[in-house]
Amino acid sequence: AQTVTQSQPEMSVQEAETVTLSCTYDTSESDYYLFWYKQPPSRQMILVIRQEAYKQQNATENRFSVNFQKAAKSFSLKISDSQLGDAAMYFCAYRGLSSGNTPLVFGKGTRLSVIA
Amino acid sequence: DSGVTQTPKHLITATGQRVTLRCSPRSGDLSVYWYQQSLDQGLQFLIQYYNGEERAKGNILERFSAQQFPDLHSELNLSSLELGDSALYFCASSAMTGTYEQYFGPGTRLTVT
Repeated sequence: AQTVTQSQPEMSVQEAETVTLSCTYDTSESDYYLFWYKQPPSRQMILVIRQEAYKQQNATENRFSVNFQKAAKSFSLKISDSQLGDAAMYFCAYRGLSSGNTPLVFGKGTRLSVIA
Repeated sequence: DSGVTQTPKHLITATGQRVTLRCSPRSGDLSVYWYQQSLDQGLQFLIQYYNGEERAKGNILERFSAQQFPDLHSELNLSSLELGDSALYFCASSAMTGTYEQYFGPGTRLTVT
């Protein structure tokens, strides 16, 4: 079974600085997607960024970018120019494609605090 | 707004009772997923439906059941409730093609007293 590990339960960053959240996963599949979701205090799950495993280029969405290392099974999220609104729980998630439309497998999350 | 709706937003009930949570997926999405998030925990997959049929099961208790109706809305039924069932229950939907993203509803907060 696939597993997702987020080794940093909590992180903090100064406003306007850069922070990197770590995620590793374990799978025997070759084709899959990886996602980062943000969960602010409202508890809504918000998709931040996605990465297709077959793409070598790292995904970027405005201030959010990933470092995808397929061989190492690593998928970290970098947040640049951190803002107070970035404070939230961040979940890394895996979705395999070998058996069709499969559920997401989530890590336990990293709580990010942004210090003004 | 993800386009996925869930009702009710909050539910408070007593142990031993039965409740039903409702979810309407995004327009055109045939797949519906239910996830449970306990306090300070990640999300655990419960069950998936595709176009009315059960597609996958996760860590769903026998006291829990779900179904997806012809209009594609889904209901999650929780019975013989225990204190430990208190959690945030999310519904998500996705299309069968494209980027396979799952779009989450706002969740139903269940409190069992």
